[in-house]
Amino acid sequence: EIVLTQSPGTLSLSPGKRVTLSCRASQSISSNYLGWYQQKPGQAPRLLIYGASSRATGIPDRFSGSGSGTDFTLTISRLEPEDFAVYYCQQYGSSPLTFGGGTKVEIK
Amino acid sequence: QVQLVQSGAEVKKPGASVKVSCKASGYTFTSYYMHWVRQAPGQGLEWMGTINPSGGSTSYAQKFQGRVTMTRDTSTSTVYMELSSLRFEDTAVYYCARSNLYSSAWLTWGQGTLVTVSS
Repeated sequence: EIVLTQSPGTLSLSPGKRVTLSCRASQSISSNYLGWYQQKPGQAPRLLIYGASSRATGIPDRFSGSGSGTDFTLTISRLEPEDFAVYYCQQYGSSPLTFGGGTKVEIK
Repeated sequence: QVQLVQSGAEVKKPGASVKVSCKASGYTFTSYYMHWVRQAPGQGLEWMGTINPSGGSTSYAQKFQGRVTMTRDTSTSTVYMELSSLRFEDTAVYYCARSNLYSSAWLTWGQGTLVTVSS
């Protein structure tokens, strides 16, 4: 099983700041089968990034993904009020499919 | 537009079973895999299993093997997830989500179904 470790657990930031979230895998993720999801309270997760670096349809370009192998990053170039949420990474390249524990981005 | 609409909240006693439905619309039902994931209160996301609506084949997380059954009804474009022998720790929101392939990102999610296990 591929274990995904996200860091930090919580980030307290002000709107307008740049934020970088980390997702580290216990073994290499094949073909960059790594996605990022955003979840707001009371809502289902929403796909932001797939294939480690491709933005999903309708996702603003302030969101970007990078990385390969075991180390992946989600960057929000400039935090908007609606970006305060929990972010999860997911690997879907091998079974069992697994998620990281999440990073909460909260308003400072 | 593409939609996944799940059945309503359930309250069950320990030892009982629950069956949650996920009705798809706006796309060709048999062309996309459907996954089930759950989220306990205040916790992260846990994959339970996947069904291929085209042939009905399934893949379950080892943790749920023997307790979970995923089925589909192509006539109504609906997938079902049944979890048996419920325990208090099965209290969670259960989501369905679709993807192009087994190994691809989850494009669309249902709204979630709260299952509460309580005596």
